[in-house]
Amino acid sequence: QQQVKQSPQSLIVQKGGISIINCAYENTAFDYFPWYQQFPGKGPALLIAIRPDVSEKKEGRFTISFNKSAKQFSLHIMDSQPGDSATYFCAASRYGGSQGNLIFGKGTKLSVKP
Amino acid sequence: SQTIHQWPATLVQPVGSPLSLECTVEGTSNPNLYWYRQAAGRGLQLLFYSVGIGQISSEVPQNLSASRPQDRQFILSSKKLLLSDSGFYLCAWSFGSPEQETQYFGPGTRLLVL
Repeated sequence: QQQVKQSPQSLIVQKGGISIINCAYENTAFDYFPWYQQFPGKGPALLIAIRPDVSEKKEGRFTISFNKSAKQFSLHIMDSQPGDSATYFCAASRYGGSQGNLIFGKGTKLSVKP
Repeated sequence: SQTIHQWPATLVQPVGSPLSLECTVEGTSNPNLYWYRQAAGRGLQLLFYSVGIGQISSEVPQNLSASRPQDRQFILSSKKLLLSDSGFYLCAWSFGSPEQETQYFGPGTRLLVL
């Protein structure tokens, strides 16, 4: 119930294409869903986050789509660029949950080919 | 603004040697602090978290320990390193209130145990 399942494990996209990464969760008490971007040798950095009161959130080329009934959320990267090549982690947590702990997916390694 | 520091950036240690990794946060008070380990190409494994000085919760039993001697200082230690302790160690912080779930990661320490 505490798991967040992320897919695919790896993704290759051509420059200018759309990258889509999916996550699914079981715990309906989760109410905060961030995405992190991690470049090799660096710590993960918060990219974008959503709460279940909205179905979509967009920041530049990055969009989170949220489907509460299906308990799924996804990250869409429009016009993917080689600089987007990184590992992406989805996560989930519950308001007031145990010290605000985040449950992370296992990550998706994105490679954008020029 | 808040800043998180980790050192050393890289460490090579022999099996059986002790370990001390340090993390400090600037620009905030009473943060929640976290230690994660990331094996090569793998996801994030939460090792310890702390909601205050001297308060440590362990997520995974192992030969590692954590301490929080000061409000914004978090230390990861081991008395005797194992080969399996190799990995990328990440410290993270979040605001110390239930509604602030976002975690912010440090630059990480790469540990190689030989």
